[in-house]
Amino acid sequence: EAQLVESGGGLVQPGGSLRLSCSTSGFTFYSYAIHWVRQAPGKGLEYLSAISGNGGSTYYADSLKGRCTISRDNSKNTLYLQMSSLRAEDTAVYYCVKGRGISFYYSGMDVWGQGTTVTVSS
Amino acid sequence: DIQMTQSPSSLSASVGDRVTITCRATQGISNYLAWFQQKPGKAPKSLIFAASSLQSGVPSKFSGSGSGTDFTLTISNLQPEDFATYYCQQYNTYPYTFGQGTKLEIK
Repeated sequence: EAQLVESGGGLVQPGGSLRLSCSTSGFTFYSYAIHWVRQAPGKGLEYLSAISGNGGSTYYADSLKGRCTISRDNSKNTLYLQMSSLRAEDTAVYYCVKGRGISFYYSGMDVWGQGTTVTVSS
Repeated sequence: DIQMTQSPSSLSASVGDRVTITCRATQGISNYLAWFQQKPGKAPKSLIFAASSLQSGVPSKFSGSGSGTDFTLTISNLQPEDFATYYCQQYNTYPYTFGQGTKLEIK
């Protein structure tokens, strides 16, 4: 059974940086794209970023562009999201989500992690 | 960006009822449409992908249909565990976008 566990969230000051991790198990990690989705308190879901199974292709939503880097270590079955220049509006629960295929195009997503909470506040 | 609009935004129903939630895209997305269920304080859970394919382990009381711009999620024989918020998501065109959610409440 595929499992994803996020970590690295916490309280950070505006303008600060944070690296989120997504540790996975139960599936062939390098065969699947992984996505990041966030949910601000009391709000809906916002799609953020994705990386292909081999790490060769990435996507960033405009809200993150220039401030975040998605990467993966296929030897550790782990995904990362490095975030910088954080703003109050980045406060949210961040989820990593397993894709349905090696590419993130036209393949959707299936298994979600439990989420990690990022709070940007002084 | 493709906008996804769900209707209704909230819905009250009784145990045993059958309900339908609609999701409309601002442009055609073929069948690249997924449905997710989220309960308070929990991560979303995949229900339907490719508009009508049931995620493994999800009961057949959940069904999806549609293609192009108009899609529906139908839940039959509502049980207490089905009361949650439901989201549609298109994955035809980046940025992938979600509907605003439909909160299904017990009447």
